[in-house]
Amino acid sequence: AQKITQTQPGMFVQEKEAVTLDCTYDTSDQSYGLFWYKQPSSGEMIFLIYQGSYDEQNATEGRYSLNFQKARKSANLVISASQLGDSAMYFCAMREPRGGNQFYFGTGTSLTVIP
Amino acid sequence: DTGVSQNPRHKITKRGQNVTFRCDPISEHNRLYWYRQTLGQGPEFLTYFQNEAQLEKSRLLSDRFSAERPKGSFSTLEIQRTEQGDSAMYLCASSFNEQYFGPGTRLTVT
Repeated sequence: AQKITQTQPGMFVQEKEAVTLDCTYDTSDQSYGLFWYKQPSSGEMIFLIYQGSYDEQNATEGRYSLNFQKARKSANLVISASQLGDSAMYFCAMREPRGGNQFYFGTGTSLTVIP
Repeated sequence: DTGVSQNPRHKITKRGQNVTFRCDPISEHNRLYWYRQTLGQGPEFLTYFQNEAQLEKSRLLSDRFSAERPKGSFSTLEIQRTEQGDSAMYLCASSFNEQYFGPGTRLTVT
């Protein structure tokens, strides 16, 4: 079974609008971490936001927020007030302590911001 | 410290040759990861070090691949007898909690 599932291969959003990128995960661990990364066309992976499994509040970092629904095992990324520079691939990832803190990545969502 | 660095950034090699990549992590990070990424895919885990100990190795990593982190600082990834299927971006990341990635080494095997 896939550890991380991102069901949206591509998304479009109008500039200045908000967009939600979906991510669901699969783990039997109680303690784990969830991450989102941005990969522009230049190729570097940029850390955006982190949510711990025991964190009761949703993580926020500037225009990024993580909609964490533990019972549904979902960790959607919300980008508010989209900018043209947000156009990139977005990857959801999970870290499990079991197996040596290995990180598992989804297949990514390509976001295009339309002016 | 300016982040994770990787060298070389690009490598073109002929099939059958050996290649070695280097990763210099963020100095205070004790964990170091190697990933492979092909076009349209997310990073695929290869191996993981905590300090100098290699704690985890993907089953996808054939015996042609070897990684070291001799002093718990920089790491090297060697691919022996390269094959065309090895062509990919090889990413290194270091972490304390969240991972920080290097710019990657793009390998092309001709």
